[in-house]
Amino acid sequence: GESVGLHLPTLSVQEGDNSIINCAYSNSASDYFIWYKQESGKGPQFIIDIRSNMDKRQGQRVTVLLNKTVKHLSLQIAATQPGDSAVYFCAENSGNTPLVFGKGTRLSVIA
Amino acid sequence: DADVTQTPRNRITKTGKRIMLECSQTKGHDRMYWYRQDPGLGLRLIYYSFDVKDINKGEISDGYSVSRQAQAKFSLSLESAIPNQTALYFCATSEGGRETQYFGPGTRLLVL
Repeated sequence: GESVGLHLPTLSVQEGDNSIINCAYSNSASDYFIWYKQESGKGPQFIIDIRSNMDKRQGQRVTVLLNKTVKHLSLQIAATQPGDSAVYFCAENSGNTPLVFGKGTRLSVIA
Repeated sequence: DADVTQTPRNRITKTGKRIMLECSQTKGHDRMYWYRQDPGLGLRLIYYSFDVKDINKGEISDGYSVSRQAQAKFSLSLESAIPNQTALYFCATSEGGRETQYFGPGTRLLVL
């Protein structure tokens, strides 16, 4: 069936380094992709999104890359900080369907 | 996000009890969602509603029911709670036609 998944369930990075969190999706009809950050004890918070007519979008310290050829999505965090420690979820949808979420990647920042 | 509120934040109940989780939003969004989150399983969709007269089952609706009392309110009920419904429950909202969802703070439910 169609699914959204992640390559790495956990990621540890040194403070100040760049982080890359990856996500694979299988629905070739997906046209909207989004990254969420979930800190302990809180609900998921929107980070950045991208539509299928783009392959890159930048925010503040974050960049999302979309490769539709291989159905791959990545979130890059520049100069990772302790406050970036959280679980990160990718999600996707097509048309009017609800978002489908991946299982999440835990990012741990080592001071 | 304070625009989406959930009550209660924590709840302990016993097997067989009926409980209701409430969600309210001040964002003016048409669409509302209920998810459950279990360790290692991410967010799974229980029910969703695109407007007041619309209710749709999600991936794991068995054992749950919902009511969309108004545009701003969407409640989730467990008619007869069982221990494997112990989880973290999230409500979310989105604007019609856009799928950026905004989540509430969650309700932690323990069924004994």
